[in-house]
Amino acid sequence: DTAVSQTPKYLVTQMGNDKSIKCEQNLGHDTMYWYKQDSKKFLKIMFSYNNKELIINETVPNRFSPKSPDKAHLNLHINSLELGDSAVYFCASSQGRKRGLVQETQYFGPGTRLLVL
Amino acid sequence: DQQVKQNSPSLSVQEGRISILNCDYTNSMFDYFLWYKKYPAEGPTFLISISSIKDKNEDGRFTVFLNKSAKHLSLHIVPSQPGDSAVYFCAATYTSGTYKYIFGTGTRLKVLA
Repeated sequence: DTAVSQTPKYLVTQMGNDKSIKCEQNLGHDTMYWYKQDSKKFLKIMFSYNNKELIINETVPNRFSPKSPDKAHLNLHINSLELGDSAVYFCASSQGRKRGLVQETQYFGPGTRLLVL
Repeated sequence: DQQVKQNSPSLSVQEGRISILNCDYTNSMFDYFLWYKKYPAEGPTFLISISSIKDKNEDGRFTVFLNKSAKHLSLHIVPSQPGDSAVYFCAATYTSGTYKYIFGTGTRLKVLA
């Protein structure tokens, strides 16, 4: 009965490959997020979807493409993986009352540890 | 350009004493602040938050103080317990045409028994 789940937990792959990370939340939230935590432990937001609509799209390479088939899922697809993509990727969700969106508590998944060789 | 900074990467405190974690920000548009706690191999979990219209918010052992003129907030944990040992992130947010939700760099707290 995990609230926010991510698969896989670990991902080791070669440079140049394409991979996807899946995220699902069973909290009934309208908003979902993807974060990247790099080797310096900075936690940076990449994307956010509210009811399947993209609302935050920070400056990330266009090799990264989020896909939200429904409001309970936000998957992250990465094309042509590079060494610098190695990081921990966290998915999160929040209730998503649009007016107070940024004031909301976010619930995080356990993270996906991506290592690009 | 890190708009939210936690200048102490680590902090050690004796059990039962007060832990004070600090966070500084540069953008005066931030109007809501949150603290998250993170254990190893887990995602961050929400701890406490404060709106910019307040200068203090308290929840049990946790109190957050906001000094807007100094662009500074702090998290006080009293009394500190070994289970509080974790990495603490502050986050600052605002909405102005676009949403911003920016995390600090984290402070690792170790509470010594």
